[in-house]
Amino acid sequence: SQQGEEDPQALSIQEGENATMNCSYKTSINNLQWYRQNSGRGLVHLILIRSNEREKHSGRLRVTLDTSKKSSSLLITASRAADTASYFCASSGAGSYQLTFGKGTKLSVIP
Amino acid sequence: DAGITQSPRYKITETGRQVTLMCHQTWSHSYMFWYRQDLGHGLRLIYYSAAADITDKGEVPDGYVVSRSKTENFPLTLESATRSQTSVYFCASSGGTGASYYMNTEAFFGQGTRLTVV
Repeated sequence: SQQGEEDPQALSIQEGENATMNCSYKTSINNLQWYRQNSGRGLVHLILIRSNEREKHSGRLRVTLDTSKKSSSLLITASRAADTASYFCASSGAGSYQLTFGKGTKLSVIP
Repeated sequence: DAGITQSPRYKITETGRQVTLMCHQTWSHSYMFWYRQDLGHGLRLIYYSAAADITDKGEVPDGYVVSRSKTENFPLTLESATRSQTSVYFCASSGGTGASYYMNTEAFFGQGTRLTVV
């Protein structure tokens, strides 16, 4: 079964608002990554957080990782219409190079 | 051109036919992956590879075969296509550290192959 599960499945917000997406995973991980997919395109890497890190920032993105709860969150601040996409978390288990994805959160940012 | 490319971008095939999806990367990345993406399932891992001649089954390997004779190529073959294999297929690669045998860097994705089995 898939390692990561995102929540919510879909999210609709107004431009300028913040968007928060959550990811839960099942087993111990080396790191957790977030990807973005625009409709009909391939996935693009956004950010990677290692298992010994708790928070990481990249531009308007903030990722947190709670290994005790096996969960991560992605925060997009001051969202823009161009942020409309699907967002996926992916993880690699400890001692493994298998990279598995969740089902994704579909974000719609309304202008 | 540098990057990861998949071919063909679109393919229609008949049930029972063999079809091969190609994936080529120019970075000499160690790790390569094949996923299928279906509505309601997200991305599911089919096969993955740590290096030439090293491949492993993912979550949904039945009906698929892979090979990796060269680092840069990772073809996916559907031995006898079925309608349930209609999907969008994505190939990905990652530099990682082959000796460490675990993922520690980002993956780069191809643009996908939309396969329809009729």
